[in-house]
Amino acid sequence: GAVVSQHPSWVICKSGTSVKIECRSLDFQATTMFWYRQFPKQSLMLMATSNEGSKATYEQGVEKDKFLINHASLTLSTLTVTSAHPEDSSFYICSARGLHEYNEQFFGPGTRLTVL
Amino acid sequence: GQNIDQPTEMTATEGAIVQINCTYQTSGFNGLFWYQQHAGEAPTFLSYNVLDGLEEKGRFSSFLSRSKGYSYLLLKELQMKDSASYLCAALNSNYQLIWGAGTKLIIKP
Repeated sequence: GAVVSQHPSWVICKSGTSVKIECRSLDFQATTMFWYRQFPKQSLMLMATSNEGSKATYEQGVEKDKFLINHASLTLSTLTVTSAHPEDSSFYICSARGLHEYNEQFFGPGTRLTVL
Repeated sequence: GQNIDQPTEMTATEGAIVQINCTYQTSGFNGLFWYQQHAGEAPTFLSYNVLDGLEEKGRFSSFLSRSKGYSYLLLKELQMKDSASYLCAALNSNYQLIWGAGTKLIIKP
């Protein structure tokens, strides 16, 4: 299957700092990438959908100025959490979808963010 | 509205069979996915159904009835490593995945 990587795997930062998370599709071109957030014992919550070369579409309730998404190429999308606060601590997961018959989303391994 | 319903938690015994049900309501339909997610890890793909019927893949099978808006994931010969959350997700007409809250499966020896 297709491989998606995320970096970093985990990050601890101070409140007020910004954190950038990278999502890469390693062996296919991802026309669409998705960013999810998952709090403990809860399901995935879609934050935004991004298509290469265009602005991301944010889900209701997600602040686009706080969660900056850039999908500059067909293999890379980044999520920047600006001015992070402890309530932003969560498991952030990206997924990528290429031109596959199943329209399947391939998930990255996730990034655990802890804001002190 | 769009929603996915699946049980919150199920318990089964090692070596047994368990069926996890999922009902969905979406604006249009382009298929249904099942994913497995172990604690602290990202989801991994298990199955995809877009036509009615049963798809078998080793110990795991998935069934779909489009007319009933219903799917199930069947796990046979349960192993301890199958303890995980199982996520049902339906693809709507805009190719957006609508996610269920997941079913936590607990396997007991």
